[in-house]
Amino acid sequence: DVKVTQSSRYLVKRTGEKVFLECVQDMDHENMFWYRQDPGLGLRLIYFSYDVKMKEKGDIPEGYSVSREKKERFSLILESASTNQTSMYLCASSLWGTGGISGELFFGEGSRLTVL
Amino acid sequence: KQEVTQIPAALSVPEGENLVLNCSFTDSAIYNLQWFRQDPGKGLTSLLLIQSSQREQTSGRLNASLDKSSGRSTLYIAASQPGDSATYLCAVRPNDYKLSFGAGTTVTVRA
Repeated sequence: DVKVTQSSRYLVKRTGEKVFLECVQDMDHENMFWYRQDPGLGLRLIYFSYDVKMKEKGDIPEGYSVSREKKERFSLILESASTNQTSMYLCASSLWGTGGISGELFFGEGSRLTVL
Repeated sequence: KQEVTQIPAALSVPEGENLVLNCSFTDSAIYNLQWFRQDPGKGLTSLLLIQSSQREQTSGRLNASLDKSSGRSTLYIAASQPGDSATYLCAVRPNDYKLSFGAGTTVTVRA
């Protein structure tokens, strides 16, 4: 079974702190994603990575950065946390999904971040 | 821009009844469609994935159909159980990586 592991399930941080959210997948997937999920707004894509050291901005990248130094690990960084970044953060991974490969998306358990 | 709609937003049924969940999308140029389940405070669990060339997929009590031309997918859950209570989301993938998610249907199965 594919496993996507988010290291922190619950975090409480102060405004202005630097926050690292870590995600590791064990299925050699090329693609990794960071989403945030908020009531009434659904899932929104923050960043996407399709290879080591490669990244693309999603729909809401402002205030976030990412790092992908190894294929299995994708980190989301909040350089200076703000209260409007209080949210559920979801990491996901998939194969690219061409040439008959399914491209099924697998999610981690989520990281609930509260910024005070 | 792809719009994905799930109606109804919430559904409550007695145990044993069959569930029918709807997902509609505006752009038929899709690569695949995926159904997920989400329990409160948890991540999304993949239930079924339908490639654009397929009409349906089945797994146990779950069956998902896809009609690209009309922009619709339906998830059927047979003989519902209280453990099926969750939010069900559909996601449509175009030919790139940017999936579009529906807002979900929250299902309550009453014992």
